[in-house]
Amino acid sequence: QVQLQESGPGLVKPSETLSLTCVVSGFSINQGYYWAWIRQPPGGGLEWFGSIYHSGGTYHNPSLMSRVSISVDTSKNQFSLKLSSVTAADTAVYYCARQASGGIAGLDYWGQGVLVTVSS
Amino acid sequence: EIVLTQSPGTLSLSPGERATLSCRAGQRVSSDYLAWYQQKPGQPPRLVIYGTSSRATGIPDRFSGSGSGTDFTLTISRLEPEDFAVYFCQQYGSSPLFAFGPGTKVEIK
Repeated sequence: QVQLQESGPGLVKPSETLSLTCVVSGFSINQGYYWAWIRQPPGGGLEWFGSIYHSGGTYHNPSLMSRVSISVDTSKNQFSLKLSSVTAADTAVYYCARQASGGIAGLDYWGQGVLVTVSS
Repeated sequence: EIVLTQSPGTLSLSPGERATLSCRAGQRVSSDYLAWYQQKPGQPPRLVIYGTSSRATGIPDRFSGSGSGTDFTLTISRLEPEDFAVYFCQQYGSSPLFAFGPGTKVEIK
């Protein structure tokens, strides 16, 4: 059973960098697949940040690319997100997910999400 | 940048009724790579349909997807109590690589 679990601070100050990690269990990242980060503001819609392959290859949402860094640590079977220069607009539930068949078959496994609040 | 719109914003129906949700894209969706997700309060989205019409693992056959190009539909043939939720459509392939619609809330009438 594939499981994903996000972790990171629930409160980040404005202008600082948000850092989150997603630990994957029940499946080896080295088996392939792209792994994605998505967020959802309270009561809002879903926004994709970017995705990473086990080899480290990434692609990003152009609207966020300048502030986003995604990395993978296959030895720990996890991948991470860094979002710099955060503002209150970055307050959201952050999810990690697996892309099925490279993405053409959607995002088939999701973590439970972690709420990150940006506030001083 | 591809933009997805969903209608209606809210659908008020009774259990047993048929639900028809619409998703329209501002440009053609690549190879009809269109997915639908169900989200209940406090839970992550759950993949329901991918590739326009393929049901995800464990999804009952009362859920069906159709459409092509820029217009897509999710149909729930007979609503069960557990189907009342928010549904998002999502395209893959255009920029941004994943784009989501704003969602349709299916609520109990």
